[in-house]
Amino acid sequence: EIVLTQSPGTLSLSPGERATLSCRASQSVSGSYLAWYQHKPGQAPRLLIYDAAFRATGVPDRFSGIGSGTDFTLTISRLEPEDFAVYYCQQYESSPGTFGQGTKLEIK
Amino acid sequence: EVQLLESGGGLVQPGGSLRLSCVASGFTFRNYAMNWVRRAPGKGLEWVSGISGSDGSTYYADSVRGRFTISRDNSKNTLYLQMNSLRADDTAVYYCAGSGWLLYYFDTWGQGTLVTVSS
Repeated sequence: EIVLTQSPGTLSLSPGERATLSCRASQSVSGSYLAWYQHKPGQAPRLLIYDAAFRATGVPDRFSGIGSGTDFTLTISRLEPEDFAVYYCQQYESSPGTFGQGTKLEIK
Repeated sequence: EVQLLESGGGLVQPGGSLRLSCVASGFTFRNYAMNWVRRAPGKGLEWVSGISGSDGSTYYADSVRGRFTISRDNSKNTLYLQMNSLRADDTAVYYCAGSGWLLYYFDTWGQGTLVTVSS
């Protein structure tokens, strides 16, 4: 199965700053079949990005995704207070679909 | 409004059984593949099982195959997960998640139901 490694494990930033989250795959994710999710405690996970670069419905344009092959990035251009959460990447290139271990974005 | 509402979680002893349910509303349930995804304490998300909307084909993670059974009742807009031979490492919040197809991204999620396996 494809193993996804997210870095950093924890990212400490202030509102207004730029966040860059990385997701590296153990083998190529062809077709860029990669998604990003935001998860806050006690809430349902939320789809942010699919097919590596496409924002889901209702997702603000400060969220952007890029990447191909084995390296993918989620960028939040200017952090808002509600953006502090755990972020997961997920590949759906090959079965089983797997998730990264998550990056916790915390307020500095 | 699209909504998924899980129920059935609780405390169960090792070796015991539990049945989770997920009631869907706000979309055409029968056209959607449905999945269970879990998050164990201190760990990340893990896909557990999926079922297609079209022919009811089922798929399982290696960690649960032979112990868990996923099913759906399209007349009731409900997804199920029958969990048998539960182990401590099955302790997690279980989320119901919808996707356009199996092996796809999950665009609809429930709030989750907690399953605790402990003596």
